[in-house]
Amino acid sequence: GAGVSQSPSNKVTEKGKDVELRCDPISGHTALYWYRQRLGQGLEFLIYFQGNSAPDKSGLPSDRFSAERTGESVSTLTIQRTQQEDSAVYLCASSFRPRVDTGELFFGEGSRLTVL
Amino acid sequence: DAKTTQPNSMESNEEEPVHLPCNHSTISGTDYIHWYRQLPSQGPEYVIHGLTSNVNNRMASLAIAEDRKSSTLILHRATLRDAAVYYCTASYGKLTFGQGTILTVHP
Repeated sequence: GAGVSQSPSNKVTEKGKDVELRCDPISGHTALYWYRQRLGQGLEFLIYFQGNSAPDKSGLPSDRFSAERTGESVSTLTIQRTQQEDSAVYLCASSFRPRVDTGELFFGEGSRLTVL
Repeated sequence: DAKTTQPNSMESNEEEPVHLPCNHSTISGTDYIHWYRQLPSQGPEYVIHGLTSNVNNRMASLAIAEDRKSSTLILHRATLRDAAVYYCTASYGKLTFGQGTILTVHP
């Protein structure tokens, strides 16, 4: 497709289970970002990929969160042993430029995670 | 990243101009000012960004104060489709978003 694609769009899981969220960026976009948005809140930066490397992981809230990117394309955000406070919309964005200051971010529609 | 302050909400009438303010008093010299907006149940959408000079594009204009401690997003003629949450950020290399301004447009 032409835009950033995320799956699943909705995920309901039980506390303690692991979840994987997938992001397919726009083809050719080298930069990829993950954000978290809790209900009624702004966007919280999680991690930034340039190619397959993650030079900035400063926003990952705990060691239960990890992310990888392969083939300078698809990225997966994994949350282990989910907690109720992990409930949020997880947004992925990609950019043609290595730094967002020189170009715009294109966001997907997000994956809504609900932890019961 | 600089801390940004925006009004929680603003209202406008259709086809009137809208001026959305943002304060970023701790901005550093390399921080760019970005504006994004988010419609309900969608991901954010880029609006405009700039460093020092005012910027215009097909969506909006960005007016940056001379000291760069504040900026204003200008929608020249608001439409119902412009109703959204508008986020201002002042950052370098990655974006961080606060709670934004909820813009309501009345017909």
